[in-house]
Amino acid sequence: DSGVTQTPKHLITATGQRVTLRCSPRSGDLSVYWYQQSLDQGLQFLIQYYNGEERAKGNILERFSAQQFPDLHSELNLSSLELGDSALYFCASSPLAGGQPSTDTQYFGPGTRLTVL
Amino acid sequence: AQSVAQPEDQVNVAEGNPLTVKCTYSVSGNPYLFWYVQYPNRGLQFLLKYITGDNLVKGSYGFEAEFNKSQTSFHLKKPSALVSDSALYFCAVRRNSGNTPLVFGKGTRLSVIA
Repeated sequence: DSGVTQTPKHLITATGQRVTLRCSPRSGDLSVYWYQQSLDQGLQFLIQYYNGEERAKGNILERFSAQQFPDLHSELNLSSLELGDSALYFCASSPLAGGQPSTDTQYFGPGTRLTVL
Repeated sequence: AQSVAQPEDQVNVAEGNPLTVKCTYSVSGNPYLFWYVQYPNRGLQFLLKYITGDNLVKGSYGFEAEFNKSQTSFHLKKPSALVSDSALYFCAVRRNSGNTPLVFGKGTRLSVIA
């Protein structure tokens, strides 16, 4: 158990809908990362938040957005869903130890499996 | 730009035999390298990382990896494979400066046969 929690575990919805995925980082970790894992694209970095502020952006669609709250939990919002958005969405957290984020180990949650019908 | 190649989609090995999962990387400057393992219906678990120092890095569950700068490789190894090692293995790289994202390889599925 990594200490990172994600809810819900499974989500089934229809095209055009909007969903929210939730992540609670490990206790004390300030950084939260979101990833999308699909069969054809592998594991893709979406976005990173550090202590409430957006820190880095990857291949995140404009239909997707995220935020990190004062209690450090994070939410990933996916809107106008398409069939191709079906994937596993992972959240990871890291402490940003020693002011050197590059050396940080990221710890992953169990993921949310999104199915868009 | 950073990239990782895991040239084998699938590796099969007999239980008790040594295993190697290959990884090569491309990054400007010096790399930080990571290995993760993913069991079915689970998140990724951290195995080990190379930051600096000794090229041979030891990690969890008896795994180790060797950093080879000239060959830009970071192969994962274990002297004696277990059936329970069967999983999906991911190599990842990031540049050693700034807050650059981790870039993952496509993954290699390891199957250890009893």
